[in-house]
Amino acid sequence: NTVMTQSPTSMFISVGDRVTMNCKASQNVGTNVDWYQQKTGQSPKLLIYGASNRYTGVPDRFTGSGSGTDFTLTISNMQAEDLAVYYCLQYNYKYTFGAGTKLELK
Amino acid sequence: QVTLKESGPGILQPSHTLSLTCSFSGFSLSTYGMGVSWIRQPSGKGLEWLASIWWNGNTYNNPSLKSRLTVSKDTSNNQAFLKVTSVDTADTATYYCAHTQYTYYGYTYDYFDYWGQGVMVTVSS
Repeated sequence: NTVMTQSPTSMFISVGDRVTMNCKASQNVGTNVDWYQQKTGQSPKLLIYGASNRYTGVPDRFTGSGSGTDFTLTISNMQAEDLAVYYCLQYNYKYTFGAGTKLELK
Repeated sequence: QVTLKESGPGILQPSHTLSLTCSFSGFSLSTYGMGVSWIRQPSGKGLEWLASIWWNGNTYNNPSLKSRLTVSKDTSNNQAFLKVTSVDTADTATYYCAHTQYTYYGYTYDYFDYWGQGVMVTVSS
């Protein structure tokens, strides 16, 4: 099983901040990583697929990068509506989610 | 427009079998590249992939649940199903079904792009 380790577990941020969160795979997964956003009380939403491809309708302040074992999701110019938990997912072999990074307001 | 909706028993007793249905519209599970996946989330915790079924009938299960999972589909009626045997309190969660898209454009892309609203399942005696 491929383990996906997300860091940090939580972040306290301010509107306008540049936010970077990380996901580390326990083995090489190429670029087979997606990112999802889940707001409180809602179903998850796809943000990024294939490590760096923004899904339809996703604002361009969301950027995914990485390959191999290390992946990053960056939110430039953080908005209040971006407060959520963010999950990475590997699909190189079956599927494994990371434990999530929670964004909270300072 | 793709929509999915999960349905289930709400509450069931330990050791029983959980049966869930995902009713969907806007796509066909006989179309190349289409799949339905099941994901669950205990209250206040993270997401766990359970199983997926594809247009060609292939199925994949989370090995951590061993042989407790069975996923199936009824293509004619636009439904997918998940059975979880021998449930216990650890299976208490919100269960989601999600449209799963597989594409290949030089690179393999695979993602859950449409999700149902989720159905809460409580295992309790």
